[in-house]
Amino acid sequence: DTEVTQTPKHLVMGMTNKKSLKCEQHMGHRAMYWYKQKAKKPPELMFVYSYEKLSINESVPSRFSPECPNSSLLNLHLHALQPEDSALYLCASSQGWENPMNTEAFFGQGTRLTVV
Amino acid sequence: GQSLEQPSEVTAVEGAIVQINCTYQTSGFYGLSWYQQHDGGAPTFLSYNALDGLEETGRFSSFLSRSDSYGYLLLQELQMKDSASYFCAGSFYNQGGKLIFGQGTELSVKP
Repeated sequence: DTEVTQTPKHLVMGMTNKKSLKCEQHMGHRAMYWYKQKAKKPPELMFVYSYEKLSINESVPSRFSPECPNSSLLNLHLHALQPEDSALYLCASSQGWENPMNTEAFFGQGTRLTVV
Repeated sequence: GQSLEQPSEVTAVEGAIVQINCTYQTSGFYGLSWYQQHDGGAPTFLSYNALDGLEETGRFSSFLSRSDSYGYLLLQELQMKDSASYFCAGSFYNQGGKLIFGQGTELSVKP
C-alpha cells in the first residue's frame, strides 16, 4: 500500500467555522507533512512531523493547528480562516525526516479548501 | 539561500523528446528530485539524483551535474497524458528531509 489518503476531498467553510482535515498512511513512514498549494504554484511546506513530534512549523498562522495522533495519522485543524487561505492542502509522507536521502515523498490527493 | 530555477512552460508534440532544465544554488545541496502533477491531482515522485549522471526509468530520465549546479528531466516518446506540471525539488544538508521546490514547468503536449 503506497497510498496517502486524505479526507475530505473538497471543503467549503465559513470564516467562523472550525473544521479538520485528515490524512492517513500505512507505509510505516516516520515523517508526515502538510503542504499548501495555490494554483500554478509549487507546494509550500507548512508543518513536518517526525516520529509523531512536530519538527518544523514554517511560521504558519495559529489558525492552522496540526496534530499527529499516531504514526499513521495526521490532522490539520482549521479555525477562523480567511478567504486567502483557500487552496489545495496536501498531506505527504516519507521514510524519514532527518536524512536528506529520504526525500521520496508520497502525496495524498489533497483537500481543496474554499473559505467563504 | 536555496532556490531552484526552471522554465515556466514548455510545449512539444506527441512522439517528440523534451528536456526540462533545473538550476539550483549549491549551498548545502544534496540531491535533486522530480515530481509530476496533473491538473487537480497530487504530485507524484518521478526520480531522484544524488550523484552525477543519468537515471533512466522507462520513458523518463533524469540527469544531474553537480559541477554545473544543473539537472534536467528528459521525457521521450511524448504522449498526451504527459501534459502536466513538472517540479524539480532540491534536498539540502542543513534542511533535513525538506524539499525546496522550483516554481514548476507546465508541459503541454500537442497532437
